[in-house]
Amino acid sequence: DSGVTQTPKHLITATGQRVTLRCSPRSGDLSVYWYQQSLDQGLQFLIQYYNGEERAKGNILERFSAQQFPDLHSELNLSSLELGDSALYFCASSAWTGGINEQFFGPGTRLTVL
Amino acid sequence: AQKVTQAQTEISVVEKEDVTLDCVYETRDTTYYLFWYKQPPSGELVFLIRRNSFDEQNEISGRYSWNFQKSTSSFNFTITASQVVDSAVYFCALGPSNTGKLIFGQGTTLQVKP
Repeated sequence: DSGVTQTPKHLITATGQRVTLRCSPRSGDLSVYWYQQSLDQGLQFLIQYYNGEERAKGNILERFSAQQFPDLHSELNLSSLELGDSALYFCASSAWTGGINEQFFGPGTRLTVL
Repeated sequence: AQKVTQAQTEISVVEKEDVTLDCVYETRDTTYYLFWYKQPPSGELVFLIRRNSFDEQNEISGRYSWNFQKSTSSFNFTITASQVVDSAVYFCALGPSNTGKLIFGQGTTLQVKP
């Protein structure tokens, strides 16, 4: 158990809908990262937050947005969903903001868009 | 461009065999970090090791060992006396020092047969 929690574990929805994925980092970790894992793209970095502020952005679509709240939990919002958004979405956390620290991953949320 | 290549898509071995997973990376940074993660069939990503670019010492942890060679931009992972429980997808990742994101390879699926 990495100490990172993600809810829900599974999500099935329809095209055009909007969903919110939730992540609670390990106790004491200030950085939260979101990754998408799909068969064709592999594991791709989406976005990073550090202590409430956006710190780095990857290949995140404009339909996707995220935020980190004062209690350090984070939410990833996916809107106008398309079939291609079906993937496993991971949240990870680390103590600091730089690449020097290992990231601990949550169990993931499997999103299926029908 | 920063990139991680895991040329072996799938490897199948019989229990007790030694197996090496290859990882080659590309970066122009002088300071960076390298990681290995394991993704068992249950789906979570488990952190295995982190090395920084200034430390080329090989590391051994039980049946696992890692060989970092800066001259060939490689960070290979060897499992000695493989076991069925080692069956998983293994990911090599590059962590630039100035950002938090991890750049993952495509992963190597290891199947250990009894």
